Amino acid sequence: SQQGEEDPQALSIQEGENATMNCSYKTSINNLQWYRQNSGRGLVHLILIRSNEREKHSGRLRVTLDTSKKSSSLLITASRAADTASYFCATELNSGGSNYKLTFGKGTLLTVNP
Amino acid sequence: SAVISQKPSRDICQRGTSLTIQCQVDSQVTMMFWYRQQPGQSLTLIATANQGSEATYESGFVIDKFPISRPNLTFSTLTVSNMSPEDSSIYLCSARQGGTDTQYFGPGTRLTVL
Repeated sequence: SQQGEEDPQALSIQEGENATMNCSYKTSINNLQWYRQNSGRGLVHLILIRSNEREKHSGRLRVTLDTSKKSSSLLITASRAADTASYFCATELNSGGSNYKLTFGKGTLLTVNP
Repeated sequence: SAVISQKPSRDICQRGTSLTIQCQVDSQVTMMFWYRQQPGQSLTLIATANQGSEATYESGFVIDKFPISRPNLTFSTLTVSNMSPEDSSIYLCSARQGGTDTQYFGPGTRLTVL
């Protein structure tokens, strides 16, 4: 089963508003990574947050991680039309050894209307 | 960050034929992976490409269908064999950068099988 589940599946907002996307997972993780994908193209890495971190910022992006609730959120502030894309969370499981594969959620389709 | 290129970027193939996708990373990385993204879906890991040895396949994927090579630390190929329309997907290569633990993705190869 999918490790990560994003919520909502789709989000439509006006330019200038903030967008919040959530991700839940099921097992212990090493880290959680957020990606953006524009219209079926490659994935752009946004932020990595480790299991011992609670919050990270990068420009207009803010990511939080709550390991007790097994959830993460991605906040995009002051959104722009160019932020329109699908956003995925991906978890790297803490399974020991050298198993570093990522498990992806289903993604949130964000539409920012000008 | 690691920059990843893939060739070809897209292809249209006939049923029963095979296609080899190449992935090149601009720096030495610890691990390389191949993912599939079916239309409208999230990413699913096909296999971990191991340098100088057989790839490690995920459940539901087999070497006869998706042979993978990784002759050195920066290059890998994925072959989609005996293709059928169900293989129409985007195939993405990724690489994990040691130290940062970040996984970067290539631009993807969009495959259409007729």
